[in-house]
Amino acid sequence: NAGVTQTPKFQVLKTGQSMTLQCAQDMNHNSMYWYRQDPGMGLRLIYYSASEGTTDKGEVPNGYNVSRLNKREFSLRLESAAPSQTSVYFCASSEDGVGGYTFGSGTRLTVV
Amino acid sequence: KNEVEQSPQNLTAQEGEFITINCSYSVGISALHWLQQHPGGGIVSLFMLSSGKKKHGRLIATINIQEKHSSLHITASHPRDSAVYICAVKTFNKFYFGSGTKLNVKP
Repeated sequence: NAGVTQTPKFQVLKTGQSMTLQCAQDMNHNSMYWYRQDPGMGLRLIYYSASEGTTDKGEVPNGYNVSRLNKREFSLRLESAAPSQTSVYFCASSEDGVGGYTFGSGTRLTVV
Repeated sequence: KNEVEQSPQNLTAQEGEFITINCSYSVGISALHWLQQHPGGGIVSLFMLSSGKKKHGRLIATINIQEKHSSLHITASHPRDSAVYICAVKTFNKFYFGSGTKLNVKP
């Protein structure tokens, strides 16, 4: 099935632990994004990648790193998780100027 | 300061009603997106607009670039339309999201 695949769907971390959220798309899109969504707030951009080999900070990049491994994959890493990073994370991709977004199904992360 | 403002925040309608959700933005944009987030959390892209009007089934989206305003209309609303509708605008290299409109359509 074409689309954006995110893993894992759920994760519980202890404060200070690290983890990587994986995202892959099979639509040959150039642009990929990581967002977080908190209760009562809109989506906020963490990082984005306009093309393979490039990444840029979004609105809330602190505490995160990203890697655009190839055109298909864009991972998000939490080096030392904090309770403030408890959120739902969405990966998305788009073919700029041609179509809309395609979103992954989300990762619900809880940091205790 | 919110670059994208949506109204209303919450909307309850009876099945069959015509629904309008509004989005105003304050930045120059290259495109505007309407997204639908289902109660289960999944997000679906409904429309991408840079001018004029688009229609897909019972959904219609319009944009007025001069007034920096877009509307999403749902005709003959149905309980399965219950979701959060999100307006997002794209500038040269940034995206801004509205906080969403929560729609509840009652049978």
